[in-house]
Amino acid sequence: DGGITQSPKYLFRKEGQNVTLSCEQNLNHDAMYWYRQDPGQGLRLIYYSQIVNDFQKGDIAEGYSVSREKKESFPLTVTSAQKNPTAFYLCATKGGSYNSPLHFGNGTRLTVT
Amino acid sequence: AQSVSQHNHHVILSEAASLELGCNYSYGGTVNLFWYVQYPGQHLQLLLKYFSGDPLVKGIKGFEAEFIKSKFSFNLRKPSVQWSDTAEYFCAVTGVHNDYKLSFGAGTTVTVRA
Repeated sequence: DGGITQSPKYLFRKEGQNVTLSCEQNLNHDAMYWYRQDPGQGLRLIYYSQIVNDFQKGDIAEGYSVSREKKESFPLTVTSAQKNPTAFYLCATKGGSYNSPLHFGNGTRLTVT
Repeated sequence: AQSVSQHNHHVILSEAASLELGCNYSYGGTVNLFWYVQYPGQHLQLLLKYFSGDPLVKGIKGFEAEFIKSKFSFNLRKPSVQWSDTAEYFCAVTGVHNDYKLSFGAGTTVTVRA
């Protein structure tokens, strides 16, 4: 069953701790994305990767880091430098053809206290 | 830089009413445009998309959107909504020559009352 798996669904951390969100896909898509969703602000792009071992900053990359060592995986680390880390994080993938839409995972809700 | 503006934050209407959600974009070039929908408890999914050709595009569940280049707009419409259309709707844009970077609007929450 092809798809995008984000785990865990809910994550709680103390302020000052780094935390890594998992995103795994078996769609064989080259491109992967991380978005942050906040009420009233929609989805904002954090990082994206068009191919293995390469990634680019999105619009709000500060305080986040990513890696793309495997095609299937694109983990996002929320560092202690991120001032407002509590949010809903969405991972997405995109197929290689020009008109491919984004496919989204079910998201991880991170709460930092 | 590309950006998307959605005019309505929350729309409440009754079943069988007509729906129109505004979307304007900013981008200095040719664009691809999308509407995504997020039903309660579900993941985001594509509703419809425009790449080229007929500016009136039809999507799933009776939705359509019209691309008006002169107005930088891509408004979403549905002639008669159902309770099951209750969801959050997102407009998105990407440049034709940079189609890997998709920018979303803030979203519009649509509540349909039975």
